[in-house]
Amino acid sequence: KAGVTQTPRYLIKTRGQQVTLSCSPISGHRSVSWYQQTPGQGLQFLFEYFSETQRNKGNFPGRFSGRQFSNSRSEMNVSTLELGDSALYLCASRPQTTSTDTQYFGPGTRLTVL
Amino acid sequence: ELKVEQNPLFLSMQEEKNYTIYCNYSTTSDRLYWYRQDPGKSLESLFVLLSNGAVKQEGRLMASLDTKARLSTLHITAAVHDLSATYFCAVDMVGTDKLIFGTGTRLQVFP
Repeated sequence: KAGVTQTPRYLIKTRGQQVTLSCSPISGHRSVSWYQQTPGQGLQFLFEYFSETQRNKGNFPGRFSGRQFSNSRSEMNVSTLELGDSALYLCASRPQTTSTDTQYFGPGTRLTVL
Repeated sequence: ELKVEQNPLFLSMQEEKNYTIYCNYSTTSDRLYWYRQDPGKSLESLFVLLSNGAVKQEGRLMASLDTKARLSTLHITAAVHDLSATYFCAVDMVGTDKLIFGTGTRLQVFP
Protein backbone atom coordinates (compact mmCIF):
# COMPACT_ATOMS: atom_id res chain seq x y z
CA LYS A 1 0.00 0.00 0.00
CA ALA A 2 1.45 3.36 -0.99
CA GLY A 3 2.07 5.85 1.76
CA VAL A 4 1.11 9.50 2.02
CA THR A 5 2.61 11.48 -0.83
CA GLN A 6 3.31 15.18 -0.97
CA THR A 7 4.28 17.37 -3.87
CA PRO A 8 6.44 19.19 -4.47
CA ARG A 9 9.15 18.05 -2.08
CA TYR A 10 11.06 21.32 -2.23
CA LEU A 11 10.02 24.85 -3.08
CA ILE A 12 11.80 28.16 -3.17
CA LYS A 13 9.66 31.27 -3.33
CA THR A 14 10.12 34.96 -2.70
CA ARG A 15 8.25 37.17 -0.29
CA GLY A 16 4.82 38.19 -1.48
CA GLN A 17 4.31 35.19 -3.73
CA GLN A 18 1.80 32.47 -3.09
CA VAL A 19 2.25 28.71 -3.02
CA THR A 20 0.09 25.61 -3.23
CA LEU A 21 1.13 22.32 -1.67
CA SER A 22 -0.52 19.01 -2.43
CA CYS A 23 -1.12 15.90 -0.37
CA SER A 24 -2.44 12.50 -1.43
CA PRO A 25 -3.46 10.36 1.55
CA ILE A 26 -3.15 6.63 1.83
CA SER A 27 -5.83 4.92 -0.24
CA GLY A 28 -9.01 4.60 1.79
CA HIS A 29 -8.05 7.30 4.29
CA ARG A 30 -10.61 10.08 4.52
CA SER A 31 -9.03 12.23 7.20
CA VAL A 32 -6.18 14.57 6.28
CA SER A 33 -4.30 16.98 8.52
CA TRP A 34 -1.56 19.52 7.88
CA TYR A 35 1.28 20.60 10.16
CA GLN A 36 4.03 23.18 10.01
CA GLN A 37 7.43 22.37 11.49
CA THR A 38 10.00 25.06 12.24
CA PRO A 39 13.06 25.03 14.52
CA GLY A 40 11.60 27.81 16.65
CA GLN A 41 7.96 26.78 17.00
CA GLY A 42 8.22 23.03 16.57
CA LEU A 43 5.32 21.09 15.12
CA GLN A 44 2.13 23.11 14.88
CA PHE A 45 -1.30 22.04 13.64
CA LEU A 46 -2.65 23.90 10.61
CA PHE A 47 -5.92 22.23 9.57
CA GLU A 48 -7.77 18.97 9.47
CA TYR A 49 -10.22 17.80 6.84
CA PHE A 50 -12.68 14.95 6.73
CA SER A 51 -14.97 14.24 3.80
CA GLU A 52 -14.18 17.60 2.22
CA THR A 53 -15.08 19.53 5.39
CA GLN A 54 -12.62 21.49 7.46
CA ARG A 55 -13.17 20.29 10.99
CA ASN A 56 -10.50 22.24 12.80
CA LYS A 57 -8.08 25.06 12.14
CA GLY A 58 -4.95 26.00 14.02
CA ASN A 59 -3.83 29.45 15.09
CA PHE A 60 -2.50 30.65 11.78
CA PRO A 61 -3.38 33.81 9.85
CA GLY A 62 -5.94 33.79 7.06
CA ARG A 63 -3.12 33.65 4.52
CA PHE A 64 -3.08 29.93 5.20
CA SER A 65 -5.96 28.07 3.65
CA GLY A 66 -6.73 24.57 2.54
CA ARG A 67 -9.26 22.29 0.97
CA GLN A 68 -10.01 18.64 0.45
CA PHE A 69 -11.38 17.05 -2.70
CA SER A 70 -13.87 14.25 -3.09
CA ASN A 71 -11.04 11.73 -3.61
CA SER A 72 -9.60 12.83 -0.21
CA ARG A 73 -6.62 14.55 -1.76
CA SER A 74 -5.88 17.84 -0.08
CA GLU A 75 -4.17 21.09 -0.92
CA MET A 76 -2.99 23.95 1.21
CA ASN A 77 -2.32 27.43 -0.01
CA VAL A 78 -0.24 30.18 1.52
CA SER A 79 -0.67 33.64 0.04
CA THR A 80 1.55 36.69 0.41
CA LEU A 81 4.48 34.64 1.64
CA GLU A 82 6.61 35.92 4.49
CA LEU A 83 10.13 34.89 5.50
CA GLY A 84 8.69 33.24 8.59
CA ASP A 85 6.67 30.85 6.46
CA SER A 86 9.86 28.96 5.64
CA ALA A 87 9.24 25.55 7.13
CA LEU A 88 8.67 21.86 6.56
CA TYR A 89 4.98 21.32 5.82
CA LEU A 90 3.76 17.86 6.72
CA CYS A 91 0.55 16.16 5.73
CA ALA A 92 -0.89 13.20 7.64
CA SER A 93 -3.77 10.84 6.99
CA ARG A 94 -5.86 8.37 8.91
CA PRO A 95 -8.89 6.25 7.92
CA GLN A 96 -11.24 8.40 9.98
CA THR A 97 -11.04 10.56 13.07
CA THR A 98 -12.43 7.86 15.35
CA SER A 99 -9.74 5.45 14.29
CA THR A 100 -7.48 3.94 16.91
CA ASP A 101 -4.76 3.81 14.29
CA THR A 102 -1.96 6.31 14.11
CA GLN A 103 -1.75 9.28 11.79
CA TYR A 104 0.59 8.48 8.93
CA PHE A 105 2.82 11.31 7.80
CA GLY A 106 4.04 12.09 4.33
CA PRO A 107 7.64 13.05 3.49
CA GLY A 108 6.86 16.77 3.70
CA THR A 109 7.34 19.80 1.50
CA ARG A 110 10.24 22.01 2.45
CA LEU A 111 9.36 25.61 1.66
CA THR A 112 12.03 28.28 1.60
CA VAL A 113 10.95 31.90 1.33
CA LEU A 114 13.64 34.35 0.24
CA GLU B 1 -5.88 24.51 26.05
CA LEU B 2 -4.14 21.18 25.70
CA LYS B 3 -0.38 21.45 26.20
CA VAL B 4 2.29 18.79 25.96
CA GLU B 5 5.67 18.95 27.65
CA GLN B 6 8.59 16.64 27.04
CA ASN B 7 11.79 16.23 28.93
CA PRO B 8 14.62 16.15 28.56
CA LEU B 9 14.96 18.25 25.42
CA PHE B 10 18.33 16.75 24.67
CA LEU B 11 19.73 13.42 25.72
CA SER B 12 23.24 12.20 25.09
CA MET B 13 23.58 8.52 25.93
CA GLN B 14 26.29 5.97 25.86
CA GLU B 15 25.58 2.74 24.03
CA GLU B 16 24.18 -0.07 26.15
CA LYS B 17 22.76 2.36 28.74
CA ASN B 18 19.09 2.75 29.64
CA TYR B 19 17.12 5.96 29.83
CA THR B 20 13.57 7.33 29.87
CA ILE B 21 11.90 10.21 28.06
CA TYR B 22 8.91 11.79 29.79
CA CYS B 23 5.80 13.29 28.25
CA ASN B 24 3.28 15.25 30.32
CA TYR B 25 0.03 16.63 28.97
CA SER B 26 -2.28 19.15 30.54
CA THR B 27 -5.85 17.89 30.01
CA THR B 28 -7.68 14.69 29.34
CA SER B 29 -6.78 13.11 26.03
CA ASP B 30 -7.99 10.01 24.24
CA ARG B 31 -4.90 9.01 22.35
CA LEU B 32 -1.18 9.41 22.89
CA TYR B 33 1.39 8.87 20.17
CA TRP B 34 5.13 8.52 19.96
CA TYR B 35 6.92 9.44 16.75
CA ARG B 36 10.52 9.32 15.63
CA GLN B 37 12.10 11.84 13.26
CA ASP B 38 15.49 11.50 11.63
CA PRO B 39 17.25 14.68 10.47
CA GLY B 40 15.62 16.11 7.37
CA LYS B 41 13.00 13.36 7.34
CA SER B 42 9.32 13.00 8.15
CA LEU B 43 7.70 11.50 11.23
CA GLU B 44 7.67 7.76 11.70
CA SER B 45 5.01 6.33 13.97
CA LEU B 46 6.31 4.25 16.88
CA PHE B 47 3.37 3.69 19.22
CA VAL B 48 -0.26 4.60 19.81
CA LEU B 49 -1.44 4.34 23.42
CA LEU B 50 -5.15 4.40 24.07
CA SER B 51 -5.92 3.45 27.63
CA ASN B 52 -4.62 3.80 31.15
CA GLY B 53 -1.86 1.34 31.87
CA ALA B 54 -1.22 0.64 28.20
CA VAL B 55 2.28 -0.61 27.50
CA LYS B 56 3.75 -1.27 24.08
CA GLN B 57 7.19 -2.52 23.14
CA GLU B 58 9.14 -2.65 19.92
CA GLY B 59 12.73 -3.73 20.05
CA ARG B 60 14.65 -1.57 22.53
CA LEU B 61 11.78 0.90 22.95
CA MET B 62 8.91 0.58 25.38
CA ALA B 63 6.13 3.13 25.85
CA SER B 64 3.63 3.34 28.67
CA LEU B 65 0.67 5.53 29.56
CA ASP B 66 -0.72 6.70 32.90
CA THR B 67 -3.86 8.71 32.13
CA LYS B 68 -4.45 9.62 35.77
CA ALA B 69 -1.04 11.28 36.00
CA ARG B 70 -1.32 12.48 32.39
CA LEU B 71 2.10 11.02 31.81
CA SER B 72 3.63 8.82 29.17
CA THR B 73 7.15 7.46 29.17
CA LEU B 74 9.37 6.14 26.41
CA HIS B 75 11.98 3.83 27.85
CA ILE B 76 15.13 3.01 25.93
CA THR B 77 16.90 -0.21 26.84
CA ALA B 78 20.56 -0.83 25.97
CA ALA B 79 20.74 2.05 23.52
CA VAL B 80 22.43 1.62 20.15
CA HIS B 81 23.60 4.26 17.69
CA ASP B 82 20.69 3.55 15.32
CA LEU B 83 18.30 4.97 17.90
CA SER B 84 19.81 8.44 17.49
CA ALA B 85 16.93 10.66 16.35
CA THR B 86 14.40 13.15 17.70
CA TYR B 87 11.43 11.63 19.51
CA PHE B 88 8.08 13.38 19.79
CA CYS B 89 5.05 12.60 21.84
CA ALA B 90 1.66 13.94 20.77
CA VAL B 91 -1.94 13.77 21.98
CA ASP B 92 -5.36 14.23 20.45
CA MET B 93 -9.01 13.58 21.13
CA VAL B 94 -11.31 11.13 19.38
CA GLY B 95 -13.32 13.01 16.80
CA THR B 96 -10.46 15.27 15.86
CA ASP B 97 -7.11 14.73 14.22
CA LYS B 98 -5.60 17.84 15.77
CA LEU B 99 -2.35 16.52 17.19
CA ILE B 100 -0.67 18.58 19.87
CA PHE B 101 3.03 17.81 19.88
CA GLY B 102 5.64 18.02 22.57
CA THR B 103 8.86 19.89 21.98
CA GLY B 104 10.72 16.74 21.06
CA THR B 105 13.69 15.01 22.66
CA ARG B 106 16.84 14.88 20.61
CA LEU B 107 18.60 11.62 21.41
CA GLN B 108 22.24 11.07 20.59
CA VAL B 109 23.79 7.67 21.27
CA PHE B 110 27.56 7.44 21.21
CA PRO B 111 29.98 4.52 21.65
